[in-house]
Amino acid sequence: AQKITQTQPGMFVQEKEAVTLDCTYDTSDPSYGLFWYKQPSSGEMIFLIYQGSYDQQNATEGRYSLNFQKARKSANLVISASQLGDSAMYFCAFLSWGKFQFGAGTQVVVTP
Amino acid sequence: GAVVSQHPSWVICKSGTSVKIECRSLDFQATTMFWYRQFPKQSLMLMATSNEGSKATYEQGVEKDKFLINHASLTLSTLTVTSAHPEDSSFYICSAPQRGRASDRGDQDEQFFGPGTRLTVL
Repeated sequence: AQKITQTQPGMFVQEKEAVTLDCTYDTSDPSYGLFWYKQPSSGEMIFLIYQGSYDQQNATEGRYSLNFQKARKSANLVISASQLGDSAMYFCAFLSWGKFQFGAGTQVVVTP
Repeated sequence: GAVVSQHPSWVICKSGTSVKIECRSLDFQATTMFWYRQFPKQSLMLMATSNEGSKATYEQGVEKDKFLINHASLTLSTLTVTSAHPEDSSFYICSAPQRGRASDRGDQDEQFFGPGTRLTVL
């Protein structure tokens, strides 16, 4: 069975600074996907970025980048130039055989 | 992109009543949908896989008689919380798989999430 771990329950970050959110996973599946979602207080799940297990390059989507280290089984999210609107819960998710498993989440608070 | 809706977005009910939550794929067909439950400040926990035309598959520890799932068509799955009690109060989210970013670069379908339903049982 897969296991996905987010070790940071909460983080404060100053506006305009970069922040790294940790995510590690454990699997024996050869093919899988790693997603990051943002969940604001409204509850909706907002897709941020995706990394496939066979991708050679780290994924980037605007201010979001994913530091994928396959051998170490980590998929950390980097948010550059933080904005006040980035304050939310962030979930790492492991996708294999069509099923998602979510990490515990990291609460990010961006301060002025 | 693919859109998934949920109805209602929130519901308050008395203990002992049953509540039905609908999940619809608006612009694509979904033979499979997933139901999650999320307690405050916690992660999403997969409850069950809804299968069109057949029985749902429940995760370990989820009472199938308590959480009835019906996947009546290729665009609609319903979750009925029967005889709801305060401990059932939670945020319920559905998702449906569809080709997306994951599919373009691999063999995984992306999951598209509904906006969620907040259930409060008094």
